[in-house]
Amino acid sequence: QKEVEQDPGPLSVPEGAIVSLNCTYSNSAFQYFMWYRQYSRKGPELLMYTYSSGNKEDGRFTAQVDKSSKYISLFIRDSQPSDSATYLCAMLPYGQNFVFGPGTRLSVLP
Amino acid sequence: EPEVTQTPSHQVTQMGQEVILRCVPISNHLYFYWYRQILGQKVEFLVSFYNNEISEKSEIFDDQFSVERPDGSNFTLKIRSTKLEDSAMYFCASRPGTGAYEQYFGPGTRLTVT
Repeated sequence: QKEVEQDPGPLSVPEGAIVSLNCTYSNSAFQYFMWYRQYSRKGPELLMYTYSSGNKEDGRFTAQVDKSSKYISLFIRDSQPSDSATYLCAMLPYGQNFVFGPGTRLSVLP
Repeated sequence: EPEVTQTPSHQVTQMGQEVILRCVPISNHLYFYWYRQILGQKVEFLVSFYNNEISEKSEIFDDQFSVERPDGSNFTLKIRSTKLEDSAMYFCASRPGTGAYEQYFGPGTRLTVT
């Protein structure tokens, strides 16, 4: 079983839709969770980070962590064509280094 | 807003040559990282660096790789003798310090080994 799993997509949605992106993980030692957005041939851009179970909101983005189910989600409200990118989850156990998911490719259609 | 910068944006080199990839992390950050992303694949951790020494490295980071912080601002990755399979995007990242685990990435250097 891979440490971090993500549906690779592509996920296509119409402009204005609510998007739900998800990662599951197997290592219960993961403590810190990040979401990155990566445009083609660019560096990952940090969107959200959270260190605890529950929800965290920032503008149109909401990050949700359920440590008991080993499941994290990123919701994007009122999606825009500029949100079209690959979304990477990343997580790490205390004192160690990031493990990235393979990414979900999102396409928001005008 | 402070950001991580990397040079060059694209480097083409012949197999067996040495390359140095350069990064300027965010100025008050204490932890520095190199990652690699082969085209179409996931981002892979190479090495972390703190207090002027390597704190962790992956199995990818073999004897052909080295890192250095030659002054107070630059952070470099050297590949001594490049192989075709080293062709990838290389990302530098930095994070603030103890208790803050979010990492900020640079735009990457695309390395092409011919």
